[in-house]
Amino acid sequence: DSGVTQTPKHLITATGQRVTLRCSPRSGDLSVYWYQQSLDQGLQFLIQYYNGEERAKGNILERFSAQQFPDLHSELNLSSLELGDSALYFCASSVGAGDTDTQYFGPGTRLTVL
Amino acid sequence: GENVEQHPSTLSVQEGDSAVIKCTYSDSASNYFPWYKQELGKRPQLIIDIRSNVGEKKDQRIAVTLNKTAKHFSLHITETQPEDSAVYFCAASLPGYSTLTFGKGTMLLVSP
Repeated sequence: DSGVTQTPKHLITATGQRVTLRCSPRSGDLSVYWYQQSLDQGLQFLIQYYNGEERAKGNILERFSAQQFPDLHSELNLSSLELGDSALYFCASSVGAGDTDTQYFGPGTRLTVL
Repeated sequence: GENVEQHPSTLSVQEGDSAVIKCTYSDSASNYFPWYKQELGKRPQLIIDIRSNVGEKKDQRIAVTLNKTAKHFSLHITETQPEDSAVYFCAASLPGYSTLTFGKGTMLLVSP
């Protein structure tokens, strides 16, 4: 157990809908990262927050957004869902935002869009 | 931006054999190279990492080597066991950034 928690574990929804994924980092960690994992794309970095502020952006679609709250938990919002958004979404956390800070992954949320 | 390529995509070995997975990176400034192991349906877990000021690091049956000149790094697993079967990901990050660029993964299958 890495100490990073994610809810829900599974999510099944329809195209066009909107969902929210939640992540709680390890105690003491200030950075939260979101990744999308699909079969053919590996682990794609979406976005990073550090102490409430957006720190880095990766391949995140405009239909997706995220935020980090004062208690440091983070939410990833996915809207106007398409079939291709079906994937595993992982959250990871690290102590800081330094270039050698170890990232610890949560158990993931499996999103299925029908 | 950084690009990380990983080979092979699948690797099958017999129990007790060694396994080697190789990664190359594009940005010579990259300075941190972790390896993650992901078992089926589970989260990626860090198994070993190396900084750019070190050429090799070992942890029991696992070792990582780094060649900065050639911009490649490798994961070596000796005396493989069936429980080593998993997908292994390499990654790299640039100085001042904690974001990771991952390779596409190697599925390692260890047969008893």
